[in-house]
Amino acid sequence: QKEVEQDPGPLSVPEGAIVSLNCTYSNSAFQYFMWYRQYSRKGPELLMYTYSSGNKEDGRFTAQVDKSSKYISLFIRDSQPSDSATYLCGGTSGSRLTFGEGTQLTVNP
Amino acid sequence: DTGVSQNPRHKITKRGQNVTFRCDPISEHNRLYWYRQTLGQGPEFLTYFQNEAQLEKSRLLSDRFSAERPKGSFSTLEIQRTEQGDSAMYLCASSLGQGGWYSPLHFGNGTRLTVT
Repeated sequence: QKEVEQDPGPLSVPEGAIVSLNCTYSNSAFQYFMWYRQYSRKGPELLMYTYSSGNKEDGRFTAQVDKSSKYISLFIRDSQPSDSATYLCGGTSGSRLTFGEGTQLTVNP
Repeated sequence: DTGVSQNPRHKITKRGQNVTFRCDPISEHNRLYWYRQTLGQGPEFLTYFQNEAQLEKSRLLSDRFSAERPKGSFSTLEIQRTEQGDSAMYLCASSLGQGGWYSPLHFGNGTRLTVT
């Protein structure tokens, strides 16, 4: 079983839609949870990270972590075509960051 | 902050050849990581340095792989006797480790290796 499970998609939405991206994890030792965005042929770019359970908001992006159910979510409001990318969730145990396989998102104008 | 720099961007090699990749981290970052990413998958951890010390290695890092970080600055990842299964994107990341505080990883744009 993978430590972080993520639906690979692809997910296609119209511009302006609210996007919900989700992951589950199995490692109870995870302390920090992150979301990275990766454009084609580029390295992952950090979007947000949170410590333990709770919500964190940054502009159009909201990250949620529920440690009791081992569930990680990212919400994108008013999605834009420039949000089209692969979104990677991950959790850290010590210094090691473990990723899910990524969800490919396309926002259609 | 010039970001994490990786060279070369692309490398095509024949099976059995040795290859070496270089990573220059963000200058003040003392931690450096190597990840491997295959098509349609998330990055997988390979190894991690704090300054010049290699503190952790994944089971994915076979004996054909070796990483170094002399003087705690840039790092090199060498693959000996390459195999077609080594074809992947090799990503380097760095962070500023300060005691118990978490510092997120900043990734470079990777080196794409194709083994023919």
